[in-house]
Amino acid sequence: DVKVTQSSRYLVKRTGEKVFLECVQDMDHENMFWYRQDPGLGLRLIYFSYDVKMKEKGDIPEGYSVSREKKERFSLILESASTNQTSMYLCASSLSSGGRRTQYFGPGTRLLVL
Amino acid sequence: KNEVEQSPQNLTAQEGEFITINCSYSVGISALHWLQQHPGGGIVSLFMLSSGKKKHGRLIATINIQEKHSSLHITASHPRDSAVYICAVGYGGATNKLIFGTGTLLAVQP
Repeated sequence: DVKVTQSSRYLVKRTGEKVFLECVQDMDHENMFWYRQDPGLGLRLIYFSYDVKMKEKGDIPEGYSVSREKKERFSLILESASTNQTSMYLCASSLSSGGRRTQYFGPGTRLLVL
Repeated sequence: KNEVEQSPQNLTAQEGEFITINCSYSVGISALHWLQQHPGGGIVSLFMLSSGKKKHGRLIATINIQEKHSSLHITASHPRDSAVYICAVGYGGATNKLIFGTGTLLAVQP
């Protein structure tokens, strides 16, 4: 059975803290994605990775960085958390190939920055 | 203007009703996806289609490529169908990136 897991379901952090969100997939997928989801805005792509150590900025990369040292693991880093980064963060993975592959989502991490 | 527009944003139905959710897009696509998100966050893929129609149980998805429009239908709706339904389009390249609509919140009342 396909599985994408995220390190935390809920997280509370203080402004200025460095925050690590981890995502692990067990499907040997090339592509991994980090999204944030806010009411009325839908899912927005922060970063994605198409191979180990390879990454590309998405639509809203400011304030975030990512790391993919192993194929199965994709980490999202908030270098200095701010209150406007309070959101639901969702990780997904897929095989490559042109929008015709199903993305498999993790359960999400609800982050509150105080 | 968003590249993927869904309507309605909110929908309340009585159990047993036939439900339609619409999705229009303005970009060239390789495939259109319908996703479901239950309270609590998890998102699952319902359909991926690039032409015609697909059916799975009580769910039917259709797409009209010329009109850049897709519909998701739920027949004999049930309270367990209550969820957010999200339309997304894949626009090609090797990366499988998607553009998402903002979702339709469906509540089916018993």
